[in-house]
Amino acid sequence: EDQVTQSPEALRLQEGESSSLNCSYTVSGLRGLFWYRQDPGKGPEFLFTLYSAGEEKEKERLKATLTKKESFLHITAPKPEDSATYLCAVQGRDSNYQLIWGAGTKLIIKP
Amino acid sequence: DSGVTQTPKHLITATGQRVTLRCSPRSGDLSVYWYQQSLDQGLQFLIQYYNGEERAKGNILERFSAQQFPDLHSELNLSSLELGDSALYFCASSVGTRARETQYFGPGTRLLVL
Repeated sequence: EDQVTQSPEALRLQEGESSSLNCSYTVSGLRGLFWYRQDPGKGPEFLFTLYSAGEEKEKERLKATLTKKESFLHITAPKPEDSATYLCAVQGRDSNYQLIWGAGTKLIIKP
Repeated sequence: DSGVTQTPKHLITATGQRVTLRCSPRSGDLSVYWYQQSLDQGLQFLIQYYNGEERAKGNILERFSAQQFPDLHSELNLSSLELGDSALYFCASSVGTRARETQYFGPGTRLLVL
């Protein structure tokens, strides 16, 4: 069964303190791994799609990487506005193109 | 702004009632997805429509139904509402049904059942 686990559940950082969020997955034939950002009470906002192990993508202070078992979302010198819940989802070969979602990591950046 | 619109933003109703949530996809997108997000369960996929036809079903209750109209907007109908149906309901859209397509989410409808 396809599964996605995100860790930690919550992460508190000081402004400027870099860190990483983890998304571990078990899927039959990964088609894509998606990262979204969600602010409280709002819809998820698309960040990145990664397709194969070794791939990396960057956007401002965020960098996503992918291995055969997990993905990391690295946050460099975060600012308070980076505070949000970060969601990871995978699409597998046998999932009828549906996304399997992780529970998310709630990131809080203190000024 | 993702380009996906949802109405209403908030909905307060009583147990046993029926409500309809509406979604308009991004221009050019043919697929619409419905998700439920509650505090203790995260994002749960309910159902997908593609160009008017049901494409995939997730954890959708029999009390819930959806449809996609010729103009591609979609409606999610929730009936015999229970307290546990209180949640955020999101609509997302994508271009089609191929693998690796990005889903773009609307702002959501917050449903409160009293």
